[in-house]
Amino acid sequence: GQQVMQIPQYQHVQEGEDFTTYCNSSTTLSNIQWYKQRPGGHPVFLIQLVKSGEVKKQKRLTFQFGEAKKNSSLHITATQTTDVGTYFCAVSPGQNFVFGPGTRLSVLP
Amino acid sequence: DAGVIQSPRHEVTEMGQEVTLRCKPISGHNSLFWYRQTMMRGLELLIYFNNNVPIDDSGMPEDRFSAKMPNASFSTLKIQPSEPRDSAVYFCASNPGAPLYGYTFGSGTRLTVV
Repeated sequence: GQQVMQIPQYQHVQEGEDFTTYCNSSTTLSNIQWYKQRPGGHPVFLIQLVKSGEVKKQKRLTFQFGEAKKNSSLHITATQTTDVGTYFCAVSPGQNFVFGPGTRLSVLP
Repeated sequence: DAGVIQSPRHEVTEMGQEVTLRCKPISGHNSLFWYRQTMMRGLELLIYFNNNVPIDDSGMPEDRFSAKMPNASFSTLKIQPSEPRDSAVYFCASNPGAPLYGYTFGSGTRLTVV
C-alpha cells in the first residue's frame, strides 16, 4: 500500500525560529495535501500541491512539491505560538487520502 | 455553513456495549470519510462513501464495526460490542467528491471504552 513518511516526528523551536517538516513517499504522487491539527482539535486543510516543483505560500508558510513528485516540504518562517500543533501531509493512492504520521511542533515563547 | 457536525463529542461506555457515532456532512459534499485517530496508529481511514455508497471499507478493523449512510446528509459508525482497544477519537470528514479537494473534518467524537 501507499507509504508516506514525515520527518521529524517532533520539533521544539524558540518563538521566532524557522521550522521545516518533510514528507516522503515511496511512489510518485499525483498530488499532496497538508493539514494542521491544533492540540485537542481536528485536522484543518491548508493546501494542495499538484505540479512538479510547485511552490505555494500562505503568509509565513511555504509549501513545496518535489521535482520528482515523491516528496514535499512545509516551511514556517519566524514561528509564533499560534503555529503549535501537528502538521500532516496526505497523499492520494486513489479516491481517498492516506495521512502521514505527522510532525508535532512545539513553540517556546 | 455549519461545517461537518459530529455527535456526541464525548462518549464513555462499558465494554460490550453498543456505540453509535453520528455525522452530518457539509451540504453538497458527495464524499464522506470516517477516520480513527490514536497515538499509536495515527489517522486511519476506516471507510468512505461516494454518493451514499460505501466504496472502500478495507480499513474497518473487524466485523464489530459497521457504517451506514442512508442519505446524503447523515452517516453512522456503529461498534457492537465495544472493546477497550476501540478507545480513540473518531473523525468524520467530507469533501465535494473529487481528490483535488481538501477534506473538511468534524470536531470528532472521543470514545472511551472502560
